[in-house]
Amino acid sequence: GQNIDQPTEMTATEGAIVQINCTYQTSGFNGLFWYQQHAGEAPTFLSYNVLDGLEEKGRFSSFLSRSKGYSYLLLKELQMKDSASYLCAVRDGANNLFFGTGTRLTVIP
Amino acid sequence: DGGITQSPKYLFRKEGQNVTLSCEQNLNHDAMYWYRQDPGQGLRLIYYSQIVNDFQKGDIAEGYSVSREKKESFPLTVTSAQKNPTAFYLCASSMLGVPYEQYFGPGTRLTVT
Repeated sequence: GQNIDQPTEMTATEGAIVQINCTYQTSGFNGLFWYQQHAGEAPTFLSYNVLDGLEEKGRFSSFLSRSKGYSYLLLKELQMKDSASYLCAVRDGANNLFFGTGTRLTVIP
Repeated sequence: DGGITQSPKYLFRKEGQNVTLSCEQNLNHDAMYWYRQDPGQGLRLIYYSQIVNDFQKGDIAEGYSVSREKKESFPLTVTSAQKNPTAFYLCASSMLGVPYEQYFGPGTRLTVT
């Protein structure tokens, strides 16, 4: 079966850097997505990785290692508005998308 | 503005009643999806559709039904057969093909008592 693991909760300080990890086991692999979701709202797309390496988008970066079944989302210069849940989602070989349970990040002053 | 709309934002029903949640998109996306989100759990796929008049069951389709009569619309009916219908329901759409991300609507929070 498909398995996607993320930490349940993390806390970090405003202005700092935080790394949210995601490990996965799927039947085949066709890409990994990160979404941000504020409480009670829709998830919004942050990044997509299909090849190994780092993708950078402003304060957010996402890394992928397919051989290790591992990804991380890096958030720099944390702001209070970054407090949200971060969802890791993996597309398997049949192009089905599976979501992890999400990591709730709390940014404190 | 292009986007996905879901209505209403909050919905309350009595146990034993069927209820239909609406989802409309004007992004010209071929694929549409329904997910359910419960506290402490990831998004779980209920149904999806890649073309008009065709749809497929997801991981937790029991107790739900859908239709796709128009490309823009993908309503979800929560039937009385669904044992635990209280949840946050999210509709999404995407272009077809591997690299395309899904765009989500604002969600409907359904409470059944």
